[in-house]
Amino acid sequence: SQQGEEDPQALSIQEGENATMNCSYKTSINNLQWYRQNSGRGLVHLILIRSNEREKHSGRLRVTLDTSKKSSSLLITASRAADTASYFCAHTETTGRRALTFGSGTRLQVQP
Amino acid sequence: GAGVSQSPSNKVTEKGKDVELRCDPISGHTALYWYRQSLGQGLEFLIYFQGNSAPDKSGLPSDRFSAERTGGSVSTLTIQRTQQEDSAVYLCASSLVIPLQGAYGYTFGSGTRLTVV
Repeated sequence: SQQGEEDPQALSIQEGENATMNCSYKTSINNLQWYRQNSGRGLVHLILIRSNEREKHSGRLRVTLDTSKKSSSLLITASRAADTASYFCAHTETTGRRALTFGSGTRLQVQP
Repeated sequence: GAGVSQSPSNKVTEKGKDVELRCDPISGHTALYWYRQSLGQGLEFLIYFQGNSAPDKSGLPSDRFSAERTGGSVSTLTIQRTQQEDSAVYLCASSLVIPLQGAYGYTFGSGTRLTVV
């Protein structure tokens, strides 16, 4: 399996603090995406970064991509209790499987 | 429809019975995906449909699993002779696919929680 790895597996912070989650992968990618999941059900797409991009912002989210290190990070600034969820990175490969391969996820708990 | 619809939302079945899970993707999305997620785990790829191309079935865990997509829209995932290890949440997603750019972000359904007893 070419499943990505994420760290930390779990993260607990206070409201207002920043949360950083990291993701690594093993193959050459087309793009990398981050998703959020509440309550173990459907995932919600947060942001997509292409392999020729290094950084992308969306509201309180900042994503970086380092293709030389095969890694990405998701930063959530000024966290809120409502940000409590599991966060997954996922990538598509340049060869092989066209569907997204998901990482193992980071469980974020934001304490009010 | 406005989103990806999956049915049933919950299914309890006896070991050895067959089950069918349904996914109704967003209208116009050419790509459809099935994943499953065991408790506290990441998503495991099962199968991918794209337009009229042959589906990528490389993630199906055994020949008890099959899926079809009729008319490029609704998809059904069938599990025959269910086993307890099949218990999981089965998630369907759809997306647009742009030539030379690949797939955009996926829109997921709420999933079907399958429990095999």
